[in-house]
Amino acid sequence: AQRVTQPEKLLSVFKGAPVELKCNYSYSGSPELFWYVQYSRQRLQLLLRHISRESIKGFTADLNKGETSFHLKKPFAQEEDSAMYYCALSPLSGSARQLTFGSGTQLTVLP
Amino acid sequence: GAGVSQSPRYKVAKRGQDVALRCDPISGHVSLFWYQQALGQGPEFLTYFQNEAQLDKSGLPSDRFFAERPEGSVSTLKIQRTQQEDSAVYLCASSQRVSGYEQYFGPGTRLTVT
Repeated sequence: AQRVTQPEKLLSVFKGAPVELKCNYSYSGSPELFWYVQYSRQRLQLLLRHISRESIKGFTADLNKGETSFHLKKPFAQEEDSAMYYCALSPLSGSARQLTFGSGTQLTVLP
Repeated sequence: GAGVSQSPRYKVAKRGQDVALRCDPISGHVSLFWYQQALGQGPEFLTYFQNEAQLDKSGLPSDRFFAERPEGSVSTLKIQRTQQEDSAVYLCASSQRVSGYEQYFGPGTRLTVT
């Protein structure tokens, strides 16, 4: 069965400090990995996906197949990064690519 | 353009009542997903439509849950004889891809069963 684990429910860092949100997964096959973000009173939105290998709002995430991890990192956190972050996976191909989400990490960036 | 919309945004139901939750996807999006998000948890998949065809309903927790998308656009998630454990946020997502890749989420409907 596929599973996404985010071990930290809450994470607080000071502005300007590095931040890392952890995500581990289990999946038989090759999944696609995503990070979704939900800012206060806003809807869930895609932050980045591993296939794109892009940096969005200074965030990056590297897929480590050996450790089955997809941790989200940012070298210098900003107060506007405070939000709920969800790691998710979907099949890499197929007719129905529903998402499997972790339970989320609430990030608070302190001034 | 307008994003995915859902109505009502909040619904309070007495245990045993039936409820209907509506999702208006982005115009032209062929794929539509429903997710259930319990308090403190991530969203969990319920069901998937490709146009009007319900291709996967493996996530529906019981036969009290029923979803339809008769004209391949608006979708309704119906819950019969609501129970307290049905209290959750119900999220709808749509995608222009047949596979459901790149899903855009609605704001959700928060259902509280008392």
